[in-house]
Amino acid sequence: GAVVSQHPSWVICKSGTSVKIECRSLDFQATTMFWYRQFPKQSLMLMATSNEGSKATYEQGVEKDKFLINHASLTLSTLTVTSAHPEDSSFYICSAKRMTGSQPQHFGDGTRLSIL
Amino acid sequence: GEDVEQSLFLSVREGDSSVINCTYTDSSSTYLYWYKQEPGAGLQLLTYIFSNMDMKQDQRLTVLLNKKDKHLSLRIADTQTGDSAIYFCAENRGGGADGLTFGKGTHLIIQP
Repeated sequence: GAVVSQHPSWVICKSGTSVKIECRSLDFQATTMFWYRQFPKQSLMLMATSNEGSKATYEQGVEKDKFLINHASLTLSTLTVTSAHPEDSSFYICSAKRMTGSQPQHFGDGTRLSIL
Repeated sequence: GEDVEQSLFLSVREGDSSVINCTYTDSSSTYLYWYKQEPGAGLQLLTYIFSNMDMKQDQRLTVLLNKKDKHLSLRIADTQTGDSAIYFCAENRGGGADGLTFGKGTHLIIQP
């Protein structure tokens, strides 16, 4: 079946640093990838939609300068949390949608980000 | 705004059937999904149903969709300890271009 790989799975870093998270579709091409954020014991909230070769579309309330998204190829999207602070600590999950055909979206295993 | 509602907890005995319910508000939803999340892990797609269907069965899983009432349910037959997880209902709007809107998740607890 379709596989989405997310790396790294766990990051601990100091406040003020930037962290890059990668999302790869391993056996299919994905024109669209999605980035979600999940707080402890809560649901997933869509942060942004990443389209290959164009700018990402951010949801209301998500700072585009804080969460930089690059979708440079049909199999890779990256999310960079810039100048991270403790309130950015969260579980970040990406999903990818096949280039052709319809649903569903397949999710990566998530990245747990802890900012000290 | 659009909303997906689920009860937070469901407790069942091992071997019984589990029924997890979900209501949604967007009548234009094209697909509705059930995902499973185990502690510390990502989301595993369990099953999904197109909005013009009213039932879908896949081994131990049965999805029922009542489009008139905007109600979706997931039935897990012969519930096992490995089914213990959080189950998220999600809807997709607008023909697949949009991201998903998730419910808060139902924590399925299995009693021995």
